[in-house]
Amino acid sequence: AQSVAQPEDQVNVAEGNPLTVKCTYSVSGNPYLFWYVQYPNRGLQFLLKYITGDNLVKGSYGFEAEFNKSQTSFHLKKPSALVSDSALYFCAVRLYTGGFKTIFGAGTRLFVKA
Amino acid sequence: DAGVIQSPRHEVTEMGQEVTLRCKPISGHDYLFWYRQTMMRGLELLIYFNNNVPIDDSGMPEDRFSAKMPNASFSTLKIQPSEPRDSAVYFCASTVSLSGNTIYFGEGSWLTVV
Repeated sequence: AQSVAQPEDQVNVAEGNPLTVKCTYSVSGNPYLFWYVQYPNRGLQFLLKYITGDNLVKGSYGFEAEFNKSQTSFHLKKPSALVSDSALYFCAVRLYTGGFKTIFGAGTRLFVKA
Repeated sequence: DAGVIQSPRHEVTEMGQEVTLRCKPISGHDYLFWYRQTMMRGLELLIYFNNNVPIDDSGMPEDRFSAKMPNASFSTLKIQPSEPRDSAVYFCASTVSLSGNTIYFGEGSWLTVV
């Protein structure tokens, strides 16, 4: 079955340290991959996406993600975490089921401690 | 652009009552999605439309749920009769198919069924 997985429910990191939020996928064909962020009591906001081209994708708020085809991964990274980065992060993949739909991983809660 | 607009933002209703959630997608977007978010099940895709036509409703939990999109600028998600287990945040989202499918979310409708 086509799916996206986020193996960590929660990631804790100290402010100023690098952060990684993991995502793996299982899709047929070339994947369209996304990262979204959700702040409390808000809708999801787009961070970045991979469609084709350079495996390192840069997005909003200093985030980047690396597409690794052999490992079927699309991990989200940031060189230096901020307390304000604390939020719920979702990895997502686009699928085709008669039309294009996007399904989301379970989400990873990021806590950045000052 | 005003973004995706959802109403009501919050609703508390009694079990057995009909609930109607409304969504206005971003103008020009040809895809509209309804998602449900709960602690237990995460973010689930309920149904999506392309050019006002329902494409995939496999995520709709049961016959009590129905969704319509009478025109390009309006969609409804209806629950009749509502049950306490329907309590969740319901998100509407939209996208343009040619954009790589970056999805834009509304702020959500927070439903509590007592």
